[in-house]
Amino acid sequence: GNSVTQMEGPVTLSEEAFLTINCTYTATGYPSLFWYVQYPGEGLQLLLKATKADDKGSNKGFEATYRKETTSFHLEKGSVQVSDSAVYFCALSEETSYDKVIFGPGTSLSVIP
Amino acid sequence: DAGVIQSPRHEVTEMGQEVTLRCKPISGHDYLFWYRQTMMRGLELLIYFNNNVPIDDSGMPEDRFSAKMPNASFSTLKIQPSEPRDSAVYFCASSVYWSGYTFGSGTRLTVV
Repeated sequence: GNSVTQMEGPVTLSEEAFLTINCTYTATGYPSLFWYVQYPGEGLQLLLKATKADDKGSNKGFEATYRKETTSFHLEKGSVQVSDSAVYFCALSEETSYDKVIFGPGTSLSVIP
Repeated sequence: DAGVIQSPRHEVTEMGQEVTLRCKPISGHDYLFWYRQTMMRGLELLIYFNNNVPIDDSGMPEDRFSAKMPNASFSTLKIQPSEPRDSAVYFCASSVYWSGYTFGSGTRLTVV
């Protein structure tokens, strides 16, 4: 079945460090791909998305590129801030069942001053 | 728009009691989802609706759980009777085609 795999956390970085959170997926066809972020005590928020191969989603300094050939959608940010501390979820919606989103397990990020 | 609104934010109840969680989706969104989040199991989809009709309830753990959506602006998730293992954060989310989900702030349920 379709699934999403993320790098295990927690990830701890110093402020201004470069961030990469790996995400790979298994799906048939051409799914849409998403990154969601969950700050402490809150619900998940859509961070960025990409709907076709080679698309780059970006928001708030975060970027991710839809790589069909490697079935990946890695999240990157050039310089993290303490306020980026959160849990990040990679997710996909199937091409033929767009209404149902499959979430990865989440990766916790802590940024220290 | 005020976003997806859930109530209550926190609920503490005794084992065996009935619990009702409420959700108001974003106006115009035609999909509504109920999720449960725990440390052990992560984020689990319980049930979702399209145009107020339940589409997939395969994630509902037991007959003790039920969900309704009587109209486009309101949904409930009911647990009767509640058990300690139901303790979790319950999220409601809504969406419209390809938009991605908008989540509410969740209800933290503690069953003692």
